[in-house]
Amino acid sequence: AQSVTQLDSQVPVFEEAPVELRCNYSSSVSVYLFWYVQYPNQGLQLLLKYLSGSTLVESINGFEAEFNKSQTSFHLRKPSVHISDTAEYFCAVSANSGYSTLTFGKGTMLLVSP
Amino acid sequence: KAGVTQTPRYLIKTRGQQVTLSCSPISGHRSVSWYQQTPGQGLQFLFEYFSETQRNKGNFPGRFSGRQFSNSRSEMNVSTLELGDSALYLCASSSGTVPADTQYFGPGTRLTVL
Repeated sequence: AQSVTQLDSQVPVFEEAPVELRCNYSSSVSVYLFWYVQYPNQGLQLLLKYLSGSTLVESINGFEAEFNKSQTSFHLRKPSVHISDTAEYFCAVSANSGYSTLTFGKGTMLLVSP
Repeated sequence: KAGVTQTPRYLIKTRGQQVTLSCSPISGHRSVSWYQQTPGQGLQFLFEYFSETQRNKGNFPGRFSGRQFSNSRSEMNVSTLELGDSALYLCASSSGTVPADTQYFGPGTRLTVL
């Protein structure tokens, strides 16, 4: 079984500041890792995912995450946030065997203010 | 391509009643997964259907059931509703044929149990 811990329930930042949203996972098997974003009154959208290869993965809107196997972490970062990045961010894992399901963290609300 | 659609978007029921929620996946997707989202428990996996067969199941009581039709549309049913069943119910579709394939989420059905 897998579990995901998102250490911060809320992260307030000012526009154009850098941000890091933390995610740690626990698993007895190798995993795939994901970050999803949920805007108000909407479903979740995939932001980026790590399957294998380079441990640094990037999204098209400036976010990046780095897989650290020794620290079992997959923190999400952005060097300069916009007001429009205000949303809830979920880290998720799935076992990398077969068609495993997603296990989500409890989410981090990113609040960007001017 | 049209996205994942869920109907209805909002439901109000009373304790003891039953409810059926519907999910239409993206055209060509054969896997539909259901999740329950609450402020306290976060996102929890209910079950996944692939080609009309339940492929994965989460840890929910038997009051929660689902099915998938030959056109990949899926329904979930909750019988004997309890106050704690109030939640946002999300469905997600994917091809179901590639491990860790991206799941595309619908906007959810907000169920309120009075």
